[in-house]
Amino acid sequence: GAGVSQSPSNKVTEKGKDVELRCDPISGHTALYWYRQSLGQGLEFLIYFQGNSAPDKSGLPSDRFSAERTGGSVSTLTIQRTQQEDSAVYLCASSLGGDSPLHFGNGTRLTVT
Amino acid sequence: GENVEQHPSTLSVQEGDSAVIKCTYSDSASNYFPWYKQELGKRPQLIIDIRSNVGEKKDQRIAVTLNKTAKHFSLHITETQPEDSAVYFCAAHEGDSNYQLIWGAGTKLIIKP
Repeated sequence: GAGVSQSPSNKVTEKGKDVELRCDPISGHTALYWYRQSLGQGLEFLIYFQGNSAPDKSGLPSDRFSAERTGGSVSTLTIQRTQQEDSAVYLCASSLGGDSPLHFGNGTRLTVT
Repeated sequence: GENVEQHPSTLSVQEGDSAVIKCTYSDSASNYFPWYKQELGKRPQLIIDIRSNVGEKKDQRIAVTLNKTAKHFSLHITETQPEDSAVYFCAAHEGDSNYQLIWGAGTKLIIKP
């Protein structure tokens, strides 16, 4: 079946512009995560959605970052007024919740020039 | 909250030899410990996981051991092959949250021919 789909796969933007990154999770997965991965680094947690519960936003690095998940399915991560330090791969993952395995998308590589 | 430390950061082994990666965690309430493999330029993928009610789990050439008393768990890869070259991440479920995974920093495994 279809896996987690992220778009765009690559995004180049100018400093100061806003960007939107999209994640289509696996159908039926109630949990959705966003992570950031800088080159050669680990997984930096950003935000976690679980069903209809309030999201865990504790990982968002600044108020320029926000995310929403509409209808318990598609999620959008928005970065306002992008900075060069925002350049990274943004990974989305979904799961059935609990201790079910996370299924990752291929990520969006964001480059801020 | 939970803290996960992973060692070593880089591991180089001769093809055919064994590799061991170790992680320690701080929250005694954590009860789920997955391992993910991320090949260069690809998404992380679950390779094995263990729950706190067992001490060891094996799947062909890979195994994971868990010592709850010492709060550490390890990934063992035997008869290493070139395709084992990747970055490996351990994680622990944060005991007091709704299945928020806390990740290790990753180990880059290099298999020398």
